[in-house]
Amino acid sequence: AQSVAQPEDQVNVAEGNPLTVKCTYSVSGNPYLFWYVQYPNRGLQFLLKYITGDNLVKGSYGFEAEFNKSQTSFHLKKPSALVSDSALYFCAVRDMGGTNAGKSTFGDGTTLTVKP
Amino acid sequence: DTGVSQNPRHKITKRGQNVTFRCDPISEHNRLYWYRQTLGQGPEFLTYFQNEAQLEKSRLLSDRFSAERPKGSFSTLEIQRTEQGDSAMYLCASSLGHGGSYNEQFFGPGTRLTVL
Repeated sequence: AQSVAQPEDQVNVAEGNPLTVKCTYSVSGNPYLFWYVQYPNRGLQFLLKYITGDNLVKGSYGFEAEFNKSQTSFHLKKPSALVSDSALYFCAVRDMGGTNAGKSTFGDGTTLTVKP
Repeated sequence: DTGVSQNPRHKITKRGQNVTFRCDPISEHNRLYWYRQTLGQGPEFLTYFQNEAQLEKSRLLSDRFSAERPKGSFSTLEIQRTEQGDSAMYLCASSLGHGGSYNEQFFGPGTRLTVL
């Protein structure tokens, strides 16, 4: 079985400050991990992914995420938040060794609000 | 625009009616996914196709739900005898992958179903 937890429903930061959106996961094998962003009235957009290799992955719009196997976490970060980063963020996981060839599991989302 | 498209964008129906949604994936993508998303939740996996083969169905997908991808291109999701609990956003996504690889998904804008 695979699962994802996003412990914070809401994250508020001031523009220019660093931001972190938290994600923890559970899989029986090794994980594929993804972050997606959803703007109002728009579809989910891919931000970044971890498959293997360097634990720090960089993605679109200046976002990055750090894979931590011991803590089973994949927190999303950005050094300096912009008001335009305000959106709904989803973490997703798939077990590399899973028999479910297609299924990925999404968290319930974290609403990020960046205030000017 | 060569992204994933979904039609209709909105559907209002009466309980007990049948509805059908269409998804046109990115043309070179061989994998296609259907998800359901309700307010405050992340996307829930419904089913997955690789080319024309439906390789997995979620237990969420009752026998009132059926999906097809007849020529490995567009896909349809039909809900028979709709119930008020079927009201949700239905998302389609596509990706490119072979063998055990698993890549990011590109999402369509969704079809919002309201069952009265």
